[in-house]
Amino acid sequence: AQSVSQHNHHVILSEAASLELGCNYSYGGTVNLFWYVQYPGQHLQLLLKYFSGDPLVKGIKGFEAEFIKSKFSFNLRKPSVQWSDTAEYFCPDNYGQNFVFGPGTRLSVLP
Amino acid sequence: DVKVTQSSRYLVKRTGEKVFLECVQDMDHENMFWYRQDPGLGLRLIYFSYDVKMKEKGDIPEGYSVSREKKERFSLILESASTNQTSMYLCASSPPLTDTQYFGPGTRLTVL
Repeated sequence: AQSVSQHNHHVILSEAASLELGCNYSYGGTVNLFWYVQYPGQHLQLLLKYFSGDPLVKGIKGFEAEFIKSKFSFNLRKPSVQWSDTAEYFCPDNYGQNFVFGPGTRLSVLP
Repeated sequence: DVKVTQSSRYLVKRTGEKVFLECVQDMDHENMFWYRQDPGLGLRLIYFSYDVKMKEKGDIPEGYSVSREKKERFSLILESASTNQTSMYLCASSPPLTDTQYFGPGTRLTVL
């Protein structure tokens, strides 16, 4: 079964800095990988997802993630963050039809 | 767009009260989920349902029950609210198989 872990808990960046948030998985067959974002006071929403095909996936608001099978990684990237990217980011594990959301990564972008 | 609505954004109840949290989705999704979200703990699954009348316990079902009488509606019930149930409650729905879950805005419940 697939198992996913995030290894950044709180990341602080200045505007225009580049972002990479780590998400590692233990491959156990078919991979289904997601990144979700929760902006302050807003509902959790899908940022991007990967099921198969092109390993470079583009999501909303300029985010992208690359599935690197050899590194067991699905890291989230953005070349230049903005203050409005301040949010909680989640890379959930999933088993069957259920997700497991860990504590996520809190991103604080300083203006 | 998928829309998941929850009956209240903010709710204040007293210890021992019975509390109903309602969730409605408009995309004919088979799967529905209830989570609670607490700082530092992420989201924890309380109950889920893959079909009408069907319900399964998640990771932290104690003190909660659910009802799914219609496909679009999934209710979470706190039989006797306690202060440790003060939390943000999130409802989600999804089509079958491993696919995107769509979340509602959440209900912030405070139990005094």
